[in-house]
Amino acid sequence: GDSVTQMEGPVTLSEEAFLTINCTYTATGYPSLFWYVQYPGEGLQLLLKATKADDKGSNKGFEATYRKETTSFHLEKGSVQVSDSAVYFCALSSYNAGNMLTFGGGTRLMVKP
Amino acid sequence: DAGITQSPRHKVTETGTPVTLRCHQTENHRYMYWYRQDPGHGLRLIHYSYGVKDTDKGEVSDGYSVSRSKTEDFLLTLESATSSQTSVYFCAISANREQFFGPGTRLTVL
Repeated sequence: GDSVTQMEGPVTLSEEAFLTINCTYTATGYPSLFWYVQYPGEGLQLLLKATKADDKGSNKGFEATYRKETTSFHLEKGSVQVSDSAVYFCALSSYNAGNMLTFGGGTRLMVKP
Repeated sequence: DAGITQSPRHKVTETGTPVTLRCHQTENHRYMYWYRQDPGHGLRLIHYSYGVKDTDKGEVSDGYSVSRSKTEDFLLTLESATSSQTSVYFCAISANREQFFGPGTRLTVL
């Protein structure tokens, strides 16, 4: 079945540091890939997505590139801010009747001033 | 904002009691989902619905039932709550193959 593996956290960075959160996946066919962010006490929000190989999703300074050859979708940001502190989830959606998502375990990011 | 609300937002109950969580949407989306979130497990799908009275099981459906009598409401019921069902529960809808989440319900079973 489908699965998503993320690096375990917490990831602790200083403000303005470079961020990478690794995500790899296993799926049949050509899934769509997503990054969701969860701020404390809130639900998940879609951060970015990519629907086919070599697509780059981007939003709020975050980027991720769909790499089919390495089955990866790593999240990056060039300069993190304290306000980026949150839990980040990688997810995939294979073509299925229920439009269901498979999530990774989440990575907590803590950014210190 | 996908117009998703959940009620209650917090609930504490005792083992063996029935509990019903409600998800309400305002935009007539066909697909709705219930997830639970636990540390280290990300989100796991409990049940989902693809229309009124059309539901199916997800990855962790044991001990849960759902009902959808109206497009806008999707109910999750724990018939007899157990401590292992202490979790944060999220409802979601699907639009354009993306999912949008409600604010969550924190359930504690003592």
